[in-house]
Amino acid sequence: EAQVTQNPRYLITVTGKKLTVTCSQNMNHEYMSWYRQDPGLGLRQIYYSMNVEVTDKGDVPEGYKVSRKEKRNFPLILESPSPNQTSLYFCASSPTPSLEQFFGPGTRLTVL
Amino acid sequence: AQKITQTQPGMFVQEKEAVTLDCTYDTSDQSYGLFWYKQPSSGEMIFLIYQGSYDEQNATEGRYSLNFQKARKSANLVISASQLGDSAMYFCAMREGLRGAQKLVFGQGTRLTINP
Repeated sequence: EAQVTQNPRYLITVTGKKLTVTCSQNMNHEYMSWYRQDPGLGLRQIYYSMNVEVTDKGDVPEGYKVSRKEKRNFPLILESPSPNQTSLYFCASSPTPSLEQFFGPGTRLTVL
Repeated sequence: AQKITQTQPGMFVQEKEAVTLDCTYDTSDQSYGLFWYKQPSSGEMIFLIYQGSYDEQNATEGRYSLNFQKARKSANLVISASQLGDSAMYFCAMREGLRGAQKLVFGQGTRLTINP
């Protein structure tokens, strides 16, 4: 089944404790993105990647890191999480810029 | 400045009625794409419809159509014959930039409730 998977789906952590949210797609898509969703703000792009080793900042990159060492994986790293990073996070992928993005199921992160 | 504006935070519609969800956008690019996504209460994001800036005809996908008015920078989603399962958040989004760049900007969303 073609899909984007994220792990974990739910995470409660404490301020400053490094964490990684994994994202993997099995559709051989070149483009992958990370978004955060907050009430009243819609989805905001954190980082995106156009191919292996090619990443660029979205609208809200502060406090996040990404890497794209393999085509299928695009992990999101929070080196020192803070409470304002409590949010619902989505990973997405697409084959080309002109086509729709396929979204993962989301990761709900709470930073205490 | 907001690049995607959805002016209806919430809408209530009777089942089987048609509904229009508004979306206006702001871009200076000639090449761009407009998307609509549905987010039910379960949380997943479901792609509904896409309109490219050079597409001359309005996009349609089943009960969904996109009323694209380029001069007004408007890309409203029309759902015909609404169903209870259409109750969800709806997001309009825009891709800017030339081929090879993908930056997707979302509006704040409209919560649609279909009443029986």
